Amino acid sequence: SQQGEEDPQALSIQEGENATMNCSYKTSINNLQWYRQNSGRGLVHLILIRSNEREKHSGRLRVTLDTSKKSSSLLITASRAADTASYFCAMGDSNYQLIWGAGTKLIIKP
Amino acid sequence: DAGITQSPRHKVTETGTPVTLRCHQTENHRYMYWYRQDPGHGLRLIHYSYGVKDTDKGEVSDGYSVSRSKTEDFLLTLESATSSQTSVYFCAISESGQGDSPLHFGNGTRLTVT
Repeated sequence: SQQGEEDPQALSIQEGENATMNCSYKTSINNLQWYRQNSGRGLVHLILIRSNEREKHSGRLRVTLDTSKKSSSLLITASRAADTASYFCAMGDSNYQLIWGAGTKLIIKP
Repeated sequence: DAGITQSPRHKVTETGTPVTLRCHQTENHRYMYWYRQDPGHGLRLIHYSYGVKDTDKGEVSDGYSVSRSKTEDFLLTLESATSSQTSVYFCAISESGQGDSPLHFGNGTRLTVT
C-alpha cells in the first residue's frame, strides 16, 4: 500500500524545546490528520487540516499543509515530558481511504 | 478511547485455532474499523464496516473475517490463526468515512500466536 513518509523516525529533545515532525505523501488528498500514540495505548486524534487550509492551531500544536509540495509539518511548542509518544500522520485521499505514515517517535528529556 | 472497548486486551493462542476479537462502542458511530499495527508497517486496515451487516475488505484482509450484527459491536475473527497474525489489533470508529473525519481508537488487543 502507499504509505506516507514521516521524518525524522525518532526525535529526542529537552523539555521546553520545540519539536517539529514532517510528513510527505504522493497522492492528492482531501485532508491530513495527525495522531498521537502513547506506549501501550490506542491512537488519539490531534488535528485534521483540510486541503484548502494552510495552517491550523490547537493549544501548543501547530500544523501546516503545503499541497504543492505534498507535505505537512506538526510543531509542538514548549514540549513537556507528557508529549513523549509516537506521532502519526494520515492522509485522507479522494477515495475516502486513509494512508498512514510510519510514525515519528518523540522523546522529551527532563 | 472513551466509548470504545476492545476485548480481550491480551490473548495467546496456538497456530490453527480460531480467534475472535470484539469491539464495542457506545458512541453510535456508523463506521467501524479493524487495524493491525506492526513494527515497520505502521497501521494497516483489515476490514471496515459502514453500517449493520455492511462490511468491506481493507488492504490486509486475507485470513480475517468480520461481522457487525449491531451498531455497537464489530467482531474480528481469525479463522485459523498463524504466527504472521501476531500483532496488536486496534478497533476504531468514525462518524463519517475514515478519509473524511477523525478516527477514535480503542486501546488495542495484543495477540500472540504460538
